[in-house]
Amino acid sequence: DGGITQSPKYLFRKEGQNVTLSCEQNLNHDAMYWYRQDPGQGLRLIYYSQIVNDFQKGDIAEGYSVSREKKESFPLTVTSAQKNPTAFYLCASSMRSNQPQHFGDGTRLSIL
Amino acid sequence: GIQVEQSPPDLILQEGANSTLRCNFSDSVNNLQWFHQNPWGQLINLFYIPSGTKQNGRLSATTVATERYSLLYISSSQTTDSGVYFCAEGNAGKSTFGDGTTLTVKP
Repeated sequence: DGGITQSPKYLFRKEGQNVTLSCEQNLNHDAMYWYRQDPGQGLRLIYYSQIVNDFQKGDIAEGYSVSREKKESFPLTVTSAQKNPTAFYLCASSMRSNQPQHFGDGTRLSIL
Repeated sequence: GIQVEQSPPDLILQEGANSTLRCNFSDSVNNLQWFHQNPWGQLINLFYIPSGTKQNGRLSATTVATERYSLLYISSSQTTDSGVYFCAEGNAGKSTFGDGTTLTVKP
């Protein structure tokens, strides 16, 4: 089945630790996105990539990093510089930017 | 950047009732989408509707780009319609989401 796979579903981070969230898609989409959702709020854009080997900062990129070495994969690293990382992280993709986005099931990150 | 305002923030309906959700935008609308987030956090794309009207079963959406708003209609609501409804506007890859309307449909 075609779709977007995020892993893990739940992730715990210790103080001072970097963690990486995985996002893989087999939809042959060019564009991929990472969002953060805090309880009771909408989604905020962290990073987006319109094509392989290119990505841009969204509204809340500080403390996060990404790479886009393959079309299918867009991993997000939450660094120790992100002081409040506890949130629900959602990855999305679209055929091209500004076209309908399709989401993975998300990763819930918590601080130990 | 663009501001997205959704109303109402919360809505409680009895099963079978109809409802209208609204999004207002501070700037021009070009790539508007409506999403439904279920209680488990899964986001489903309902409509991609930069202008005009679309229908899908009991749901329909209308965007009036010149007046910078969009409406989502839910008819004959069911308990499975419960969740949070978001609208989002995109420009050159950057998407801005509203804070959502939380819909509760009671049996």
